[in-house]
Amino acid sequence: AQSVTQLDSQVPVFEEAPVELRCNYSSSVSVYLFWYVQYPNQGLQLLLKYLSGSTLVKGINGFEAEFNKSQTSFHLRKPSVHISDTAEYFCAVSEGRGAQKLVFGQGTRLTINP
Amino acid sequence: EPEVTQTPSHQVTQMGQEVILRCVPISNHLYFYWYRQILGQKVEFLVSFYNNEISEKSEIFDDQFSVERPDGSNFTLKIRSTKLEDSAMYFCASSRDWGNTIYFGEGSWLTVV
Repeated sequence: AQSVTQLDSQVPVFEEAPVELRCNYSSSVSVYLFWYVQYPNQGLQLLLKYLSGSTLVKGINGFEAEFNKSQTSFHLRKPSVHISDTAEYFCAVSEGRGAQKLVFGQGTRLTINP
Repeated sequence: EPEVTQTPSHQVTQMGQEVILRCVPISNHLYFYWYRQILGQKVEFLVSFYNNEISEKSEIFDDQFSVERPDGSNFTLKIRSTKLEDSAMYFCASSRDWGNTIYFGEGSWLTVV
């Protein structure tokens, strides 16, 4: 069975600092990986996804993530964060082609301090 | 930009009562989903729906739950007899096709008292 672990429940950083949100997964088959963001009082919005090809994936709002198969990781990074990046970030995985059934991590709350 | 809309945003109900959560998926989407998030826990898959039938459901989705697409635009989740442990944020989602991006609504927060 698949599982996703987000190692940090909360990450506080200062504005304009870099950030990395960690995600590890376990699965016995090929997986597809996603990062979703939830801004306060809003729904889940797709930041980026890895289906195949280049292991470095770029998403919206300057975020990127790198798929590392040997370490079963899909960490999310941004070189310089803004106050507006304050949100909850969810890593998710699906097995096989596509994303009909997503398994989510527990989420990481990113707080940007001025 | 098209979006998934959900109503109500928040509902409080007494234990044992029936609840219907409503969703309007994106208009040209064919796959519909319900997920839920109990406070402090992970977002969990409940059910997927395609071509007017359930295509997959989780073990959480027992007989007290049902889904329906009563017309061409709405997609509903019914909880027949609510329990305290059904208190959660319920997310509706849709995708255009198998393998396409899943778009989520803002969620309906259900509180069972």
